[in-house]
Amino acid sequence: DQQVKQNSPSLSVQEGRISILNCDYTNSMFDYFLWYKKYPAEGPTFLISISSIKDKNEDGRFTVFLNKSAKHLSLHIVPSQPGDSAVYFCAASGGFGNEKLTFGTGTRLTIIP
Amino acid sequence: EAGVAQSPRYKIIEKRQSVAFWCNPISGHATLYWYQQILGQGPKLLIQFQNNGVVDDSQLPKDRFSAERLKGVDSTLKIQPAKLEDSAVYLCASSSNTEAFFGQGTRLTVV
Repeated sequence: DQQVKQNSPSLSVQEGRISILNCDYTNSMFDYFLWYKKYPAEGPTFLISISSIKDKNEDGRFTVFLNKSAKHLSLHIVPSQPGDSAVYFCAASGGFGNEKLTFGTGTRLTIIP
Repeated sequence: EAGVAQSPRYKIIEKRQSVAFWCNPISGHATLYWYQQILGQGPKLLIQFQNNGVVDDSQLPKDRFSAERLKGVDSTLKIQPAKLEDSAVYLCASSSNTEAFFGQGTRLTVV
């Protein structure tokens, strides 16, 4: 039972353009959502998060949008840079006091120079 | 601030052998996790500790996997005996709030 789904295994985007990574979830008890970035041979690195009480959170070039009614979130990267090439994992948890993370399968983002 | 430390980075063993992984979390982080990441999949939680107590081990294959967290700091994860399907990257993470910080992982290959 895949509670967090990333339906696009890979995505290629031109440098300077917008990258949009999508994530869907099925468990309505999830209260907190995170994006992690992973380079080869390294552990996942925390990128940005959003609480269910918000619908948008922005940090520099990265913005996460949450649509609770659709159980959908997305990560926008603008402008995309070559260093953004990595695997991006969406994760969800029950929030404070229930921080266990459930991960999606990841999307491999390739930025084309 | 030092990150989460894991060792070894790589391990190759034969099936039915035993293996142990070690994790040192970020200082002051009460929560420690072990995740298993099989190639092409997202990390899957094996066990969660709060200080030295187990919070969730529902997905830990307890017939072969065991984990402990001595004195609420370092942790070890053991597999005995290993199976071919245990080949994966084993990630340790720690957190003090809602964001978990991961180590580099241990890549286990069972042949």
